[in-house]
Amino acid sequence: SQQGEEDPQALSIQEGENATMNCSYKTSINNLQWYRQNSGRGLVHLILIRSNEREKHSGRLRVTLDTSKKSSSLLITASRAADTASYFCATVDSGNTGKLIFGQGTTLQVKP
Amino acid sequence: DAGVIQSPRHEVTEMGQEVTLRCKPISGHDYLFWYRQTMMRGLELLIYFNNNVPIDDSGMPEDRFSAKMPNASFSTLKIQPSEPRDSAVYFCASSGRGGFPSDTQYFGPGTRLTVL
Repeated sequence: SQQGEEDPQALSIQEGENATMNCSYKTSINNLQWYRQNSGRGLVHLILIRSNEREKHSGRLRVTLDTSKKSSSLLITASRAADTASYFCATVDSGNTGKLIFGQGTTLQVKP
Repeated sequence: DAGVIQSPRHEVTEMGQEVTLRCKPISGHDYLFWYRQTMMRGLELLIYFNNNVPIDDSGMPEDRFSAKMPNASFSTLKIQPSEPRDSAVYFCASSGRGGFPSDTQYFGPGTRLTVL
């Protein structure tokens, strides 16, 4: 079953613009992760943020986590055509069972 | 490291046939996961193993699905008999060293299954 929802479902922007994707979840979590999936490929891990963290950066990626609202956002700055992909958030429950529960994903298209 | 290896990459079969998907996790990883991805249902966790032992198979859709992990370097997901609604991309992922499960998961390239 899906943990939550991602918003928007699809996003189309021009190269150089910023892209923001949001993720909501339902249960208490140990950590939240973002993955990217290029068409026809497997998922690739981008960044992990733990429940006691509020913000994390990795290169052009910025992730925020608001546990009171059970939500997270992923910001990609200065987007490139190569960023075109689907982006998924995934949560690990507070029991830390190791299970990842994925959202439905946001499909990002970056136009050159 | 070669990453997670899955075979076959594509499988086309007829309804009623047995299908076996294979996965080789990254060496040293303690956890192995099987997922199914469809347009309708998104990415679903089917089953996962820790140290070759199945921990949670609550996502396995029905008795037609079974999974095994006979050793640390090999796992299979079997569907018998297959049905058209089983058509999906099946991913294997591995993670965890030293017993910590919530590390990054590394995904294989997937097996695209089509049941006619």
